[in-house]
Amino acid sequence: GEDVEQSLFLSVREGDSSVINCTYTDSSSTYLYWYKQEPGAGLQLLTYIFSNMDMKQDQRLTVLLNKKDKHLSLRIADTQTGDSAIYFCAEISSGTYKYIFGTGTRLKVLA
Amino acid sequence: DTGVSQNPRHKITKRGQNVTFRCDPISEHNRLYWYRQTLGQGPEFLTYFQNEAQLEKSRLLSDRFSAERPKGSFSTLEIQRTEQGDSAMYLCASSSGPPADTEAFFGQGTRLTVV
Repeated sequence: GEDVEQSLFLSVREGDSSVINCTYTDSSSTYLYWYKQEPGAGLQLLTYIFSNMDMKQDQRLTVLLNKKDKHLSLRIADTQTGDSAIYFCAEISSGTYKYIFGTGTRLKVLA
Repeated sequence: DTGVSQNPRHKITKRGQNVTFRCDPISEHNRLYWYRQTLGQGPEFLTYFQNEAQLEKSRLLSDRFSAERPKGSFSTLEIQRTEQGDSAMYLCASSSGPPADTEAFFGQGTRLTVV
């Protein structure tokens, strides 16, 4: 089935780490993505991970994938006020080029 | 600006009217996607094209909705006999090559309000 779930809200203090979680149900997912959406702006790809990887690090971003539990997380180190946005995880399944998005997590960074 | 362009950015229409949106993808991209996003939700897949072929349509795409990409370049999404429930942001994205080699670039969307 196609269902990607995320918690709705996360609030952190500037300088702390943020962890945004995502669960998906399609075990044939081949690639998983994190997108960022700021108010009035389009979706921006932050990072992605292949399904055969456990972890990927890209500057302040760390993606962890637990394929057994179908759980994906995005850690943002040293969170800044400019990181305040909605974060979407998305999956793409084998045999299709269709991206399935989660419900989004609104991250609020407190100064 | 060579990103994905969508027109118009905003559209207000009366219930029952037809509307058409246009998407100009990044020129070398062969895949084009349409998504719909309502407030507080993630983007919902509507349809996608590879070149001029429409390869997949969501069950969300009722018979009032039709999308075309006649020459494999720009695409149009038409909604006939609009309903208030059609009010949403309509997003277009384009990509090229295998999914992970390049991202899907999104346009800024067309916000439709049906009154």
